[in-house]
Amino acid sequence: GENVEQHPSTLSVQEGDSAVIKCTYSDSASNYFPWYKQELGKGPQLIIDIRSNVGEKKDQRIAVTLNKTAKHFSLHITETQPEDSAVYFCAAKNFGNEKLTFGTGTRLTIIP
Amino acid sequence: SAVISQKPSRDICQRGTSLTIQCQVDSQVTMMFWYRQQPGQSLTLIATANQGSEATYESGFVIDKFPISRPNLTFSTLTVSNMSPEDSSIYLCSVYHGNTIYFGEGSWLTVV
Repeated sequence: GENVEQHPSTLSVQEGDSAVIKCTYSDSASNYFPWYKQELGKGPQLIIDIRSNVGEKKDQRIAVTLNKTAKHFSLHITETQPEDSAVYFCAAKNFGNEKLTFGTGTRLTIIP
Repeated sequence: SAVISQKPSRDICQRGTSLTIQCQVDSQVTMMFWYRQQPGQSLTLIATANQGSEATYESGFVIDKFPISRPNLTFSTLTVSNMSPEDSSIYLCSVYHGNTIYFGEGSWLTVV
């Protein structure tokens, strides 16, 4: 089955700087890669996703890049703000199987 | 998008008892999922619940412990049976809608 690794497990960034979280996956058939943000006491919230037919997607301060050859994808947050502090999870799945496999999560702390 | 409501949001349960968690979606969806998130951990899929068929359980999860109902396209329940302190977790309902997977806010269970 699919295995998703996520790094780093914790990340502290000065407010205004950029944050990058990286994930690798094992199943070459995976073609959908969402990122979720989970704030304390809440469920995971989808913040951005990418499908395998594109290499990059951007939404305001958030971007995701995908390298299918290397089987890794990354989340980039620019101009970080205190409200970006949360746990971020990457995930992967393929369209033949609608189940998500999650990474282990990254606790991002923005230092004011 | 899909809006998912879960009940209860939080509960403290006695060892040996059972608790049923409800999940209501504002759209008709074919696929619903139940996840468990143990404290400080990532999300683990318990089972997939499709309307009109038996739930499909992941390795390590069994129907006797986690019975699931899916009576229609907008509702599902997960029961955590004969609870022990190891069952203290967040239980999350998730749906596949519009080629995207959404999560509810979770049900936080503490077993004492």
